[in-house]
Amino acid sequence: SQQGEEDPQALSIQEGENATMNCSYKTSINNLQWYRQNSGRGLVHLILIRSNEREKHSGRLRVTLDTSKKSSSLLITASRAADTASYFCATAGRSNDYKLSFGAGTTVTVRA
Amino acid sequence: GAGVSQSPSNKVTEKGKDVELRCDPISGHTALYWYRQRLGQGLEFLIYFQGNSAPDKSGLPSDRFSAERTGESVSTLTIQRTQQEDSAVYLCASSLAGRVEGWNTIYFGEGSWLTVV
Repeated sequence: SQQGEEDPQALSIQEGENATMNCSYKTSINNLQWYRQNSGRGLVHLILIRSNEREKHSGRLRVTLDTSKKSSSLLITASRAADTASYFCATAGRSNDYKLSFGAGTTVTVRA
Repeated sequence: GAGVSQSPSNKVTEKGKDVELRCDPISGHTALYWYRQRLGQGLEFLIYFQGNSAPDKSGLPSDRFSAERTGESVSTLTIQRTQQEDSAVYLCASSLAGRVEGWNTIYFGEGSWLTVV
């Protein structure tokens, strides 16, 4: 079963704007990761945040994690057309940390 | 190889036929995973290999699905007597070890798109 749920399902923004998407999950986690998928094919790992971390940055990406609310957010700043993709959050559980549970994803369209 | 390689890239098969999907993980990666992604949905875990053993095959949907791994390398996912509901992208991934952690990123292949008609 899918643990994570992303919100919104779809997002359309102008190039240069920021894109924010959220992820909620249900059970205790070891870590939470965000992935990007272009054209429905392979996933690319973007960033991992551990359960004892609250915020993490990587280039134009900023991820937050609130374990009390069981939620995370991904912010993409100064978006580019190349950021058009689907973004998924995935959680690794405490007891079976080899297994990722994915949400249904947020489809982001960046208009030039 | 440089990345996780999957074949075939696309497969159209008739309902009731068997299909085999192949995954070549990154060399040296002991952990290998199969996921399934239906159109517009997230990934569903199918099976996890550590070496040639599968300690967790809990995600396989039915006994029509099986997977094996040999030589701590190539893995094959077999679907017998395919049904239309099996239509999906089947993604393989590998990592150095089984634990999903910051030092141990999972690398995904491009997937095999299966269409059952």
